[in-house]
Amino acid sequence: GAVVSQHPSRVICKSGTSVKIECRSLDFQATTMFWYRQFPKQSLMLMATSNEGSKATYEQGVEKDKFLINHASLTLSTLTVTSAHPEDSSFYICSARDPLPGQTYNEQFFGPGTRLTVL
Amino acid sequence: LAKTTQPISMDSYEGQEVNITCSHNNIATNDYITWYQQFPSQGPRFIIQGYKTKVTNEVASLFIPADRKSSTLSLPRVSLSDTAVYYCLVGDTGFQKLVFGTGTRLLVSP
Repeated sequence: GAVVSQHPSRVICKSGTSVKIECRSLDFQATTMFWYRQFPKQSLMLMATSNEGSKATYEQGVEKDKFLINHASLTLSTLTVTSAHPEDSSFYICSARDPLPGQTYNEQFFGPGTRLTVL
Repeated sequence: LAKTTQPISMDSYEGQEVNITCSHNNIATNDYITWYQQFPSQGPRFIIQGYKTKVTNEVASLFIPADRKSSTLSLPRVSLSDTAVYYCLVGDTGFQKLVFGTGTRLLVSP
């Protein structure tokens, strides 16, 4: 299946700094990528939909000025957590759909996740 | 997107068959049922998808009754490595947003 990578896998930063997380589709082009956040022992929560060449669409309650999303190419989306605080510490996961012609099902491919710890 | 309800957790032993049922009473005509597996500190992984009756692949089987208001993921002869959280999602093939419910935390013991 298609492969989605994330970088970095882990990051520790001081409170008030900004952190950028990259999400890449390695063997396919993705016009749309998704960003999720997952706290310990909880389910994934969709944060935003990243659209190549246009603005991201944020879910209700997600601050777009705090979580900046850029989807500059068909294989790369970035999530920047600005002025990070300890409560932003979480597991951030991206996903992308491989829109193969004739595909009859909606399989999304997820990245391995990025563990963010804000001190 | 139809809401789904699953048991919070299940316990099993190696070699047993595990059946996880998901309720989706408000499933729409165009909706498919998809199951994902997630190991700790990893992204979810697609397991299986179906529309009606039964679907089987090398990993699992998916049973869907005629009314489609529920579905059952069946894992044959589980091993310790099947310990994970299993999510049931419902949506049409065109949908892109995935809304994850609570999932079922499966613990397989020796």
